[in-house]
Amino acid sequence: GDSVTQMEGPVTLSEEAFLTINCTYTATGYPSLFWYVQYPGEGLQLLLKATKADDKGSNKGFEATYRKETTSFHLEKGSVQVSDSAVYFCALTNPSTSGTYKYIFGTGTRLKVLA
Amino acid sequence: EPEVTQTPSHQVTQMGQEVILRCVPISNHLYFYWYRQILGQKVEFLVSFYNNEISEKSEIFDDQFSVERPDGSNFTLKIRSTKLEDSAMYFCASSDTGTSGYNEQFFGPGTRLTVL
Repeated sequence: GDSVTQMEGPVTLSEEAFLTINCTYTATGYPSLFWYVQYPGEGLQLLLKATKADDKGSNKGFEATYRKETTSFHLEKGSVQVSDSAVYFCALTNPSTSGTYKYIFGTGTRLKVLA
Repeated sequence: EPEVTQTPSHQVTQMGQEVILRCVPISNHLYFYWYRQILGQKVEFLVSFYNNEISEKSEIFDDQFSVERPDGSNFTLKIRSTKLEDSAMYFCASSDTGTSGYNEQFFGPGTRLTVL
C-alpha cells in the first residue's frame, strides 16, 4: 500500500541556517503531497501542498517540489527562525487508489531552532 | 478563522472503560476523519465519515470503535472497552467537498488519551 517515509528527528539548527527535511513516498497513480506543521499545543496546520509532478508548493519561506522520478517531496527553507520550531509531517492522499481522501502520514520530524 | 475543536485535551481512563472523544468540525464541511498517533509513531488513519456513514475504516478501527455525528455539529469517536495500546493522541479532521482530486483537511489540536 501507499506509504510515506520521513527523516528521523530531532533536527537542531541555529537561526538563519538552511533547512532540509527529507520525505519520500511509495504510491501508485498520482497522489497529492502535503507538508503539515504542528506547533506546541496546536493541531496540524497545512504548510504547503503539490498536486502533480514538478509542482512546487511554497508558503512562509518553505518550499517543496513534487519529484515523481525520485518519489520525493523534500521540505526546504533558506533561513530558519526560532518561530519555525515545530513538528513537520509529510503526507499524501491518493483517492485514485484508496477511493477516499484519507491522508497517509510520515512519522513527523521535530525541528528545534536555537537563537 | 473557523477551526476544528476537540475535547477534552487530555483524558485519563482505566483499562476496560468506555471513552468518548468529541470534535466540532468546521461548520460547512462534509467529510470527517479520525486519526491517531501513538507516541513516537506515525499518524495513522482510523476512519472517514461522509453523509452520515463510514466511507472507509482502517484495520485499527475494529468493533471496539464507533463514530457518530449525533446532532449535526459534533463528531464523536467512542472506544467501548479501552486497552493499554489505545493510549495515543487522537486527531479529528474535517474537509469540504474537494474539487481538485484532493481536499485539504483541517485538524483539531488533538486529545491525548492515556489508558492505565
